[in-house]
Amino acid sequence: GAGVSQTPSNKVTEKGKYVELRCDPISGHTALYWYRQSLGQGPEFLIYFQGTGAADDSGLPNDRFFAVRPEGSVSTLKIQRTERGDSAVYLCASSLIRNTEAFFGQGTRLTVV
Amino acid sequence: ILNVEQSPQSLHVQEGDSTNFTCSFPSSNFYALHWYRWETAKSPEALFVMTLNGDEKKKGRISATLNTKEGYSYLYIKGSQPEDSATYLCASPTSGSARQLTFGSGTQLTVLP
Repeated sequence: GAGVSQTPSNKVTEKGKYVELRCDPISGHTALYWYRQSLGQGPEFLIYFQGTGAADDSGLPNDRFFAVRPEGSVSTLKIQRTERGDSAVYLCASSLIRNTEAFFGQGTRLTVV
Repeated sequence: ILNVEQSPQSLHVQEGDSTNFTCSFPSSNFYALHWYRWETAKSPEALFVMTLNGDEKKKGRISATLNTKEGYSYLYIKGSQPEDSATYLCASPTSGSARQLTFGSGTQLTVLP
């Protein structure tokens, strides 16, 4: 597709469960970002990939959160032992290496009950 | 920590009215200012990337100005239409080499028909 694709669009899970959120960036974009938007706030940075490696994971809130991008394209954000406070919209964005404009997906709305 | 603030938090205007809202950011160590429009159930859409003091950019009925010396940007919408209803986000890179953005909490605009 032409844009950034995120799946699922909505995910409801029980507290304590494990979830995976997928991001398919724009073809050719080497930079990939994950953000999280909680109710009433702007998106907050989680992690940035340059190619296959996590260039900056300083925004991950704790060790329950982990993200991978094994082939430098699709990325998966993994959350272990989910908590109600993890409920948010998780946004993925991608950009060209030399272009700071980021293109966002529609997000995955995660609800932990 | 970069602090980006937006006001007002929400705004209701009548169709045909013009409106504007504000993004404030630290004037020291400024690199760029991004504006996004985020409609419900859609991806955040990039409106403008502004870098120079005094910059003015326009896209249809939407325009933006930038004052890096005093640390603010205004977004203007002329003759608001119901389809302009969205959350408008501004964001700034955390450093000159940083790829990740620090976002404001957004201004939620509702245009009433």
